[in-house]
Amino acid sequence: NAGVMQNPRHLVRRRGQEARLRCSPMKGHSHVYWYRQLPEEGLKFMVYLQKENIIDESGMPKERFSAEFPKEGPSILRIQQVVRGDSAAYFCASSPSPFETQYFGPGTRLLVL
Amino acid sequence: QKEVEQNSGPLSVPEGAIASLNCTYSDRGSQSFFWYRQYSGKSPELIMFIYSNGDKEDGRFTAQLNKASQYVSLLIRDSQPSDSATYLCAVTGAGSYQLTFGKGTKLSVIP
Repeated sequence: NAGVMQNPRHLVRRRGQEARLRCSPMKGHSHVYWYRQLPEEGLKFMVYLQKENIIDESGMPKERFSAEFPKEGPSILRIQQVVRGDSAAYFCASSPSPFETQYFGPGTRLLVL
Repeated sequence: QKEVEQNSGPLSVPEGAIASLNCTYSDRGSQSFFWYRQYSGKSPELIMFIYSNGDKEDGRFTAQLNKASQYVSLLIRDSQPSDSATYLCAVTGAGSYQLTFGKGTKLSVIP
């Protein structure tokens, strides 16, 4: 009964380094969504992916952020040259189809020093 | 800009009482409505979803939707200390998969 898995759960990076966050969707789910929760803020949509396709990245910052969901393996959210403002909890959610309920993973808490 | 508004709280209720959590949304075309519970430092956990006007009950939880007033609420009956958490209201628009979240209402159930 594996739910959505994310790793690492906690990630510490220094300014200028790269952060890679991984997400494996729930079994039977092929739709992945990334959300970011800044301290004292609500969750904000970042990107929606299906296998090998980015469907909607309207919530992604224009620079330094990218996402992929390869044919094999987990979805990856990549943040290049991290800055302190990137410190947040990053949640991945999955669903069996785009308009069905999304179930969230445990999140990755990124701290940029 | 689609917005979802919630009273940030904290909302304090005594154990055994009914907790009432409210949410308004700006997009009149919104189609699906969700309540998630988030414990401190944890991920959002789905409590209920509702698509149609009226009430939907699941155990101690009742979701109420009024599309004309653009208002959705969550009632928690017989509140327990373990219900103490932040409750997030989330909405999707017509033909959309993006969840738009409110900032959440912090509920504290006092033993």
